[in-house]
Amino acid sequence: NAGVMQNPRHLVRRRGQEARLRCSPMKGHSHVYWYRQLPEEGLKFMVYLQKENIIDESGMPKERFSAEFPKEGPSILRIQQVVRGDSAAYFCASSREELLSYNEQFFGPGTRLTVL
Amino acid sequence: GQQVMQIPQYQHVQEGEDFTTYCNSSTTLSNIQWYKQRPGGHPVFLIQLVKSGEVKKQKRLTFQFGEAKKNSSLHITATQTTDVGTYFCAGKTSNYQLIWGAGTKLIIKP
Repeated sequence: NAGVMQNPRHLVRRRGQEARLRCSPMKGHSHVYWYRQLPEEGLKFMVYLQKENIIDESGMPKERFSAEFPKEGPSILRIQQVVRGDSAAYFCASSREELLSYNEQFFGPGTRLTVL
Repeated sequence: GQQVMQIPQYQHVQEGEDFTTYCNSSTTLSNIQWYKQRPGGHPVFLIQLVKSGEVKKQKRLTFQFGEAKKNSSLHITATQTTDVGTYFCAGKTSNYQLIWGAGTKLIIKP
């Protein structure tokens, strides 16, 4: 059973470009979470999605950031018009269920975004 | 809003010394999870505590969940170089939300 897959592992963008980060959850998992981590800092929750639904996006900046988890295919975190402050590691995690079970989150290896 | 405070932010220990990190929540939690992140790596789930007063052990690691289900601790006995990393607690509230602590970075002094 493959773990959570994220690609690319490293992404370099110039200011003003778009960044697209992909996450494929573990097989059988229908819940996806995105986190941002700045160097030497903790995880900052961004968004929680289920298939075709955004459940909680309270941690995501209102502008330039968007996330989706379509019926088919990976979850995408999209950052438009990137700025240097967007440079960080972006982790995706998945879990099997939420409301009825106490399930841990399985993390992907992360995408390290560098904005030049 | 709901918060989970984790202390200390950093802890330097000599190899062989003990290490402890503490988490305190502003609200009662349904469960608490602990994760470890090695330098350059991603968080990896260690354990989940559900019951009030629960204590679980994994070799040299001891996890506790407070009676009021508002605090938790992770204690490592006789640290080794392989223990280096950042330890995060994450408390689950009555709804789906997982509230993360800021992490405690364990540094082994040479």
